[in-house]
Amino acid sequence: EIVMTQSPATLSVSPGERATLSCRASQSVSSNLAWYQQKPGQVPRLLIYGATTRATGIPARFSGSGSGTEFTLTISSLQSEDFAVYYCQQYQAWWTFGQGTQVEIK
Amino acid sequence: QVQLQESGPGLVKPSGTLSLTCGVSGDSIGWWSWVRQPPGKGLEWIGEMHQRGSANNNPSLESRLTISLDKSKNQFSLQLRSVTAADTAVYYCATRDTSGAPRWGQGTLVTVSS
Repeated sequence: EIVMTQSPATLSVSPGERATLSCRASQSVSSNLAWYQQKPGQVPRLLIYGATTRATGIPARFSGSGSGTEFTLTISSLQSEDFAVYYCQQYQAWWTFGQGTQVEIK
Repeated sequence: QVQLQESGPGLVKPSGTLSLTCGVSGDSIGWWSWVRQPPGKGLEWIGEMHQRGSANNNPSLESRLTISLDKSKNQFSLQLRSVTAADTAVYYCATRDTSGAPRWGQGTLVTVSS
């Protein structure tokens, strides 16, 4: 099983600031990596797939980078609606998820 | 674009069997998955089945799990046996579309309680 580890667990950011979230895989997942945003009571919203491709309708302030075992989700300028939990997911071998990063208002 | 919709009972008794169905429209890469999320917790992959019949299951659930596919009805199903309160969760069906992007249903809450 490929283990996905996200850091930090909680990220405190002021609106308008940049947020950088990390995700590490226990073995290479190539570019088979997705990022999701989830708000309470809602379905996880796909932001990024293929490590770097923004999903349809996702604002350009969200960007993904990395390949192999190290990945990053960057939100260039946090908006009020971006405060949520973010998950990474690998789909190289079955599916596994990180434990999530809570992005909260500083 | 592929679309998925879960259906099934929202309440299951302890030691009973949780049964859900996912209706599908649109094209996918052929792998059909189930994911769950207990209240207030993270996401857990349950298992997957390929349209040609091969399957992979989460080892922690494998002994209680059956995933099946009904191509004639464009749907796939989940059965989880001997459920306990720990199986209470929102259950999602999912796949990847032809561009490789994961696609999920809206999810359905299943509560295990007497």
